[in-house]
Amino acid sequence: EPEVTQTPSHQVTQMGQEVILRCVPISNHLYFYWYRQILGQKVEFLVSFYNNEISEKSEIFDDQFSVERPDGSNFTLKIRSTKLEDSAMYFCASSEAVNRVSYEQYFGPGTRLTVT
Amino acid sequence: RKEVEQDPGPFNVPEGATVAFNCTYSNSASQSFFWYRQDCRKEPKLLMSVYSSGNEDGRFTAQLNRASQYISLLIRDSKLSDSATYLCVVNLNNFNKFYFGSGTKLNVKP
Repeated sequence: EPEVTQTPSHQVTQMGQEVILRCVPISNHLYFYWYRQILGQKVEFLVSFYNNEISEKSEIFDDQFSVERPDGSNFTLKIRSTKLEDSAMYFCASSEAVNRVSYEQYFGPGTRLTVT
Repeated sequence: RKEVEQDPGPFNVPEGATVAFNCTYSNSASQSFFWYRQDCRKEPKLLMSVYSSGNEDGRFTAQLNRASQYISLLIRDSKLSDSATYLCVVNLNNFNKFYFGSGTKLNVKP
């Protein structure tokens, strides 16, 4: 069964450093997403991406965040200058639109980001 | 007001019990609705989409009530493996943006 993969599974970085989180969505999916989940809190939408551009983003997704699809398979989230409060689990998801009504998303296993 | 609200629980039920969760959403323009389950420190996994007419998948039944702006999930004949946190997810007006509830924790005990 096809699945979304993410690397690394755990990333430790120092405050102020740049990190890139990587995702390989399911191959025939067209919509890609990043979410974060701070420990003990709910899953929060960050950004959605379609047709090589951002389609929606949340208030959390400020100028320190960027996304890219550098080739036909990878989808990346870059955090330019990490803060302590960026420590969270970051999930990538992908979906194919089903008659443009339902977007069933499939999630990767997540990258745990720890900022020290 | 939160976009999606769920009773956090926990719901502690014996094996074989029937249990139901509700989830309310604030925006009447919401278009798509889903239930996911999340095990501790794991990714959310899609359980089922929720259709206007209601839908069933084995022991799981989902209902949508647009008038009262809530969706429900009914689990029949609970198994130990059903223990997880159940997340309600709402898509607003077909924009590619999704709101997650905080989840309802279910513990199924032998």
